[in-house]
Amino acid sequence: AQRVTQPEKLLSVFKGAPVELKCNYSYSGSPELFWYVQYSRQRLQLLLRHISRESIKGFTADLNKGETSFHLKKPFAQEEDSAMYYCALRGGGSNYKLTFGKGTLLTVNP
Amino acid sequence: NAGVTQTPKFQVLKTGQSMTLQCAQDMNHEYMSWYRQDPGMGLRLIHYSVGAGITDQGEVPNGYNVSRSTTEDFPLRLLSAAPSQTSVYFCASSKPGLAYEQFFGPGTRLTVL
Repeated sequence: AQRVTQPEKLLSVFKGAPVELKCNYSYSGSPELFWYVQYSRQRLQLLLRHISRESIKGFTADLNKGETSFHLKKPFAQEEDSAMYYCALRGGGSNYKLTFGKGTLLTVNP
Repeated sequence: NAGVTQTPKFQVLKTGQSMTLQCAQDMNHEYMSWYRQDPGMGLRLIHYSVGAGITDQGEVPNGYNVSRSTTEDFPLRLLSAAPSQTSVYFCASSKPGLAYEQFFGPGTRLTVL
């Protein structure tokens, strides 16, 4: 079974402060991990995926297989980063299903 | 391209009523799925389809039916609505090779009284 845990329902930081959204997973094989974001009154959209090792909107996430984690980080939060963030896992092979965590609502205060 | 479209945007039902949530995509995506989003529960997969004529159950399929007669459309049917089905429903689609990048619709907010 595959499982994604986001331990924080709510996270509040001030503008310019570093932010880290935690994500831990459980999967027996080699998973693919992703972060999706939902801004207010917008559709859920892909933010980044571990396989591309890219930085999007200043966010990065490193897959740590030893700790089974995929935390999302940004060194200096901006007010426009306020949104709901979901960590998601896809099992290997032809498994198309995405398993989402429960989400973390990030609020960046001015 | 309109991407993934969902109708209606809002719906109120009485317990026991039936209805169909519509989902369509114009990107020729083979994979389509339905999720429900509930506070504190995240997104949970209801049903999914890997192509026309092929559907399978997700994590919370009870009370819902789906069919996939065309590549473009993937309707979700509530046979006898219950208050526990009050939720926001999202449809998503993706290409097989890029299954991880799912494109989401705007959602349907359903209330069952």
